[in-house]
Amino acid sequence: GAGVSQSPSNKVTEKGKDVELRCDPISGHTALYWYRQSLGQGLEFLIYFQGNSAPDKSGLPSDRFSAERTGGSVSTLTIQRTQQEDSAVYLCATAWQGGSNTGELFFGEGSRLTVL
Amino acid sequence: KQEVTQIPAALSVPEGENLVLNCSFTDSAIYNLQWFRQDPGKGLTSLLLIQSSQREQTSGRLNASLDKSSGRSTLYIAASQPGDSATYLCAVNPLSGNTPLVFGKGTRLSVIA
Repeated sequence: GAGVSQSPSNKVTEKGKDVELRCDPISGHTALYWYRQSLGQGLEFLIYFQGNSAPDKSGLPSDRFSAERTGGSVSTLTIQRTQQEDSAVYLCATAWQGGSNTGELFFGEGSRLTVL
Repeated sequence: KQEVTQIPAALSVPEGENLVLNCSFTDSAIYNLQWFRQDPGKGLTSLLLIQSSQREQTSGRLNASLDKSSGRSTLYIAASQPGDSATYLCAVNPLSGNTPLVFGKGTRLSVIA
């Protein structure tokens, strides 16, 4: 696709339910990031996939959060047993990566999660 | 650990004014630095990417500079317009391998007509 695509754009769920958020990167981009942004706040790093290397999961806030990236392309962020404090916009960003250098980063429009 | 700071946190200017947004970082070992714009309720839009070997990049009314040795970057906006109102974020890409970009908290700009 022409840009980073995220789905769903909006998700309302009940506390305790599991949710999956999807990110389709720009074709050829090997670096993929997930960030979280709560209302009026800055970006909170969650997880970083870089080529075939083990992902950097250092930003995941709890073990209820996990992410996969299949075949180096599509990524899914899963939140289990959602809590109200998980309500935020979840942003995906991707970039071309050469060696350890990451090029220009492009963001999707985000998935807005509301936990009731 | 790389830290990125943006000052001021918020800025309000009258239309037509030239303005400068500041970004500082603690570790000069970077591959590149990128400036983004975020409109309310939207994702981030890339404005300019400066490689570590470059001093500046220009796009239209925007000019970004990079002084790696002093750990500073500035985003200059000429002849500001109300449509420039948004939050501007900078992010650095550390040289230490396999580490994610580090973002500042952004500067919220309001351009008053």
